Amino acid sequence: DIQLTQSPSFLAASVGDRVTMTCRASQGIGTALAWYQQKPGKAPKLLIYGASTLQHGGPSRFSGSGSGTEFTLTLSGLQPEDFATYYCHQLNSYPWTFGQGTRVEI
Amino acid sequence: QITLKESSPTLVKPTQTLTLTCTFSGFSLTTRGVGVGWIRQPPGKALEWLAVVYWDDDKQYSPSLKNRLTITKDTSKNQVVLTMTNMDPGDTATYYCVRKYTGYYPLDYWGEGTLVTVSS
Repeated sequence: DIQLTQSPSFLAASVGDRVTMTCRASQGIGTALAWYQQKPGKAPKLLIYGASTLQHGGPSRFSGSGSGTEFTLTLSGLQPEDFATYYCHQLNSYPWTFGQGTRVEI
Repeated sequence: QITLKESSPTLVKPTQTLTLTCTFSGFSLTTRGVGVGWIRQPPGKALEWLAVVYWDDDKQYSPSLKNRLTITKDTSKNQVVLTMTNMDPGDTATYYCVRKYTGYYPLDYWGEGTLVTVSS
């Protein structure tokens, strides 16, 4: 199985900040990586796919980059509604796997 | 508008079989490339993929749970059913159904989830 390791696990930030989080894969996955945002009590929501493509309707302050084994999600100009947990997800091969999440809090 | 909705019992006893139903609208599982899958999330923990079924009846399962899972589709009802046998308290989780296309496409639509508690 491909392991995904997210860092940091927890991130304290303020409104307006630029924050970056990382997802590392245990083996190369090309760009078959997605990022999801999850708020408490809600289902995850797709933000980024193909490592860097913003989902239709997604805020442009979210951006993704990377390929192979190292990926980043950047939020430029944090908004109050961005405080949530973010998960990376690899779809390169079965079994699909997720990272353990990065929680962004004030 | 694409929607997915999960239904299931909220409480099951250990060793029982869980039946989860995903009823969807706004797309068809007869469309080439379309798939519907299941993801679960224990309270306070990360997401875990369980299974997926595609338009051509191709089915994929998590290896760690494969012996306990069966996924089926009913295209006439726009439903996908996942059964999980021999339930254990460790299977307590919110179960989500998701839509996906074949290949490297992401899980683009999610149901709201259903919380299943396993307890005697």
